[in-house]
Amino acid sequence: DAKTTQPNSMESNEEEPVHLPCNHSTISGTDYIHWYRQLPSQGPEYVIHGLTSNVNNRMASLAIAEDRKSSTLILHRATLRDAAVYYCIPYSGGGADGLTFGKGTHLIIQP
Amino acid sequence: GAGVSQSPRYKVAKRGQDVALRCDPISGHVSLFWYQQALGQGPEFLTYFQNEAQLDKSGLPSDRFFAERPEGSVSTLKIQRTQQEDSAVYLCASSSDRGLKETQYFGPGTRLLVL
Repeated sequence: DAKTTQPNSMESNEEEPVHLPCNHSTISGTDYIHWYRQLPSQGPEYVIHGLTSNVNNRMASLAIAEDRKSSTLILHRATLRDAAVYYCIPYSGGGADGLTFGKGTHLIIQP
Repeated sequence: GAGVSQSPRYKVAKRGQDVALRCDPISGHVSLFWYQQALGQGPEFLTYFQNEAQLDKSGLPSDRFFAERPEGSVSTLKIQRTQQEDSAVYLCASSSDRGLKETQYFGPGTRLLVL
């Protein structure tokens, strides 16, 4: 499995954009980059995924570096409900099929 | 629609007791996963089912852990002779296909405390 590096924690103000970085320098060519988040006392929740091109959905945007060794999850306008642990997960779906979560980034949103 | 449900939500067991944790996946989802999440850590993969077949159990920490999904829907994770180190949140997830882009949908978890 590709190893990922994320900041332990980040802090932002409500209604401001948040950029959550992830390094995955050992990612394989077939791995998609998935992001999940886990709100307090809940199970993880899918946020977004991509392969090479930048992706947008109603929750967030995903910017993927050209060499695919890093990516950035962008929350365009953070709300208090976005306070969670965010996990960056390279995942091909093959082999063990399980997601490999790291420690993630604990995002704190200040009102 | 209904998401993944797990029961019980909380379980307290005395050391040495057997416990059974239930997962009801999203209807029609082929794949089912179990994860263990220790306090302050990310979830760790335990085992994977495709329909009723257990295709990967490489993450089960010991032979005290056993999982089944006999009819390809509901799954049960059983822990025999529980130990204090088994205290964790046990998460179940399901997904609809085995493609590269599959999304896993997680339940709320069962919080197990072994005294």
